[in-house]
Amino acid sequence: DGGITQSPKYLFRKEGQNVTLSCEQNLNHDAMYWYRQDPGQGLRLIYYSQIVNDFQKGDIAEGYSVSREKKESFPLTVTSAQKNPTAFYLCASSIQGGSNQPQHFGDGTRLSIL
Amino acid sequence: AQSVTQPDIHITVSEGASLELRCNYSYGATPYLFWYVQSPGQGLQLLLKYFSGDTLVQGIKGFEAEFKRSQSSFNLRKPSVHWSDAAEYFCAVGWGRDTMEYGNKLVFGAGTILRVKS
Repeated sequence: DGGITQSPKYLFRKEGQNVTLSCEQNLNHDAMYWYRQDPGQGLRLIYYSQIVNDFQKGDIAEGYSVSREKKESFPLTVTSAQKNPTAFYLCASSIQGGSNQPQHFGDGTRLSIL
Repeated sequence: AQSVTQPDIHITVSEGASLELRCNYSYGATPYLFWYVQSPGQGLQLLLKYFSGDTLVQGIKGFEAEFKRSQSSFNLRKPSVHWSDAAEYFCAVGWGRDTMEYGNKLVFGAGTILRVKS
């Protein structure tokens, strides 16, 4: 079955460490997204990519970086510059970019600080 | 700035009772409207969407939603709630490519947690 796979499910970060969250999709979707979810705040967009080798900052991009070298993959790096990284991170994809496109979500990665 | 408001943080209903979850959005242009559901520790699943046409849309799991332009609302309803409906529900809105800042993005509400009592 097609879908989005996020790994790992749980991740722990030490102070000053960069960590990378994986997101892979086999839906043949062009667009991919990263969201951060905190209790009571809904989903906030970190980065999105409408096509391979292109991506744009979302609303809360500071302290994060991404790459889109392959259509299937959109990894997110949480850098040491992100001072409050503890959150639930969700990756999503859609057939095309655009706000009229339903997004399909992975099951998330929960990041915590050691 | 565009915004999406879900006024109820928590709602508790009895199993078999009817349900209505509220969603209001800002900005005057006709939006693209979505409702998603999230079970604990999992991703979001699309329940239904509205783009144009009939303002009452049917979704999966027996849910429906009604778009009311005059009230800038897109409320989610279900006639009879089941215990398995307990989850968090998110309304999401897109405003189209002519809105430069939000042309390619969805804005999500803060969510409503539904509890079902037996």
